[in-house]
Amino acid sequence: AQKVTQAQTEISVVEKEDVTLDCVYETRDTTYYLFWYKQPPSGELVFLIRRNSFDEQNEISGRYSWNFQKSTSSFNFTITASQVVDSAVYFCALATGTASKLTFGTGTRLQVTL
Amino acid sequence: GAGVSQSPSNKVTEKGKDVELRCDPISGHTALYWYRQSLGQGLEFLIYFQGNSAPDKSGLPSDRFSAERTGGSVSTLTIQRTQQEDSAVYLCASSTRLTAGIYGYTFGSGTRLTVV
Repeated sequence: AQKVTQAQTEISVVEKEDVTLDCVYETRDTTYYLFWYKQPPSGELVFLIRRNSFDEQNEISGRYSWNFQKSTSSFNFTITASQVVDSAVYFCALATGTASKLTFGTGTRLQVTL
Repeated sequence: GAGVSQSPSNKVTEKGKDVELRCDPISGHTALYWYRQSLGQGLEFLIYFQGNSAPDKSGLPSDRFSAERTGGSVSTLTIQRTQQEDSAVYLCASSTRLTAGIYGYTFGSGTRLTVV
């Protein structure tokens, strides 16, 4: 069985602060994919990133960066110099090799204030 | 279409009534998924279609829930005899078999169902 844990229910930061959203996953499959999605107040889920289990290289995209560590089964997401527009619920998700469905964490609500 | 389209965007129904929620996936996407998001909760998997067949419907919470897909395209999620605990946002997503593992899914904006 697969499981994704996002222990942080809600995080509040002031604009320009850096913030890290934690994600811990469980799977017995050796081939799997990890995702982050953003859900702004409008409700639509927006794909942010996908990593596969064979590629532990960290990734940076603008103010966003992701740290994938198989040793700790974690796939953490950092926003540098946060902005009010980053306020949303962020979901971490896992798919196994056949990728027939995604298993989501419960999400972390990020509130960025001025 | 350009994205995943869901209708209606909002639905208020009386307890005990039946409702139908519609999902129109991206053209050419063979896989279609239904998820439910209750207030303050994560996304709960309901059912997965590959083409018109549903290899995994393990997430349907009760026999009041059913779904079908026709023509490898539009899908309808039906909830019979709605209960207040059915109130949630119902999200539909689609992908090609090739992209599910690469890009995940593309989600629609959801149908917010309120049972009063």
